[in-house]
Amino acid sequence: GAGVSQSPRYKVAKRGQDVALRCDPISGHVSLFWYQQALGQGPEFLTYFQNEAQLDKSGLPSDRFFAERPEGSVSTLKIQRTQQEDSAVYLCASSLAPPRGVLAGAREQYFGPGTRLTVT
Amino acid sequence: GENVEQHPSTLSVQEGDSAVIKCTYSDSASNYFPWYKQELGKGPQLIIDIRSNVGEKKDQRIAVTLNKTAKHFSLHITETQPEDSAVYFCAATIDDKIIFGKGTRLHILP
Repeated sequence: GAGVSQSPRYKVAKRGQDVALRCDPISGHVSLFWYQQALGQGPEFLTYFQNEAQLDKSGLPSDRFFAERPEGSVSTLKIQRTQQEDSAVYLCASSLAPPRGVLAGAREQYFGPGTRLTVT
Repeated sequence: GENVEQHPSTLSVQEGDSAVIKCTYSDSASNYFPWYKQELGKGPQLIIDIRSNVGEKKDQRIAVTLNKTAKHFSLHITETQPEDSAVYFCAATIDDKIIFGKGTRLHILP
């Protein structure tokens, strides 16, 4: 079946430009996550949606970063006035709600291929 | 907040030998520990996971162990093969937020 898809796969932006990154989660997945992965590092949490509700945005590095998921499926991560330090791979992941009896928080997350953003 | 430490950062093993990657976590509330494999240009792929009510789990050549008291968990790959070469990430999950280690680059030598 189809996995998580992200577009574009590569984006080059001039410093100061706005960018929008799209994530299509696995159909039926309730939860959607955004992560930022700098070169040679592990992914770092940015924000989390359950359906259309943004439940946690504690990882967004600044108010230039904004994410939305208006209909509870596709999500967009927007970065305004991009800076060189925003250069990274942006990963999206989705997950089902946990089955009954499974520990809360123990949800498998499935990742997309990422969008590599380069700010010049 | 949660902090995950992962060692070693690079690991080279002869094909057919075993590889072990070790991680520690700081927040005792973490209750789910996935391991991801990431190949160049791809997103992380879940390879195995363990929940906090289990001490060990095995899936073919891959096994994970969890010591909740010591806040340690480990990945063991036996009979390594060339296709095992990749970056491996351990992670701890608290309230659906995955906190990743910095990764281990595994090289399988011919």
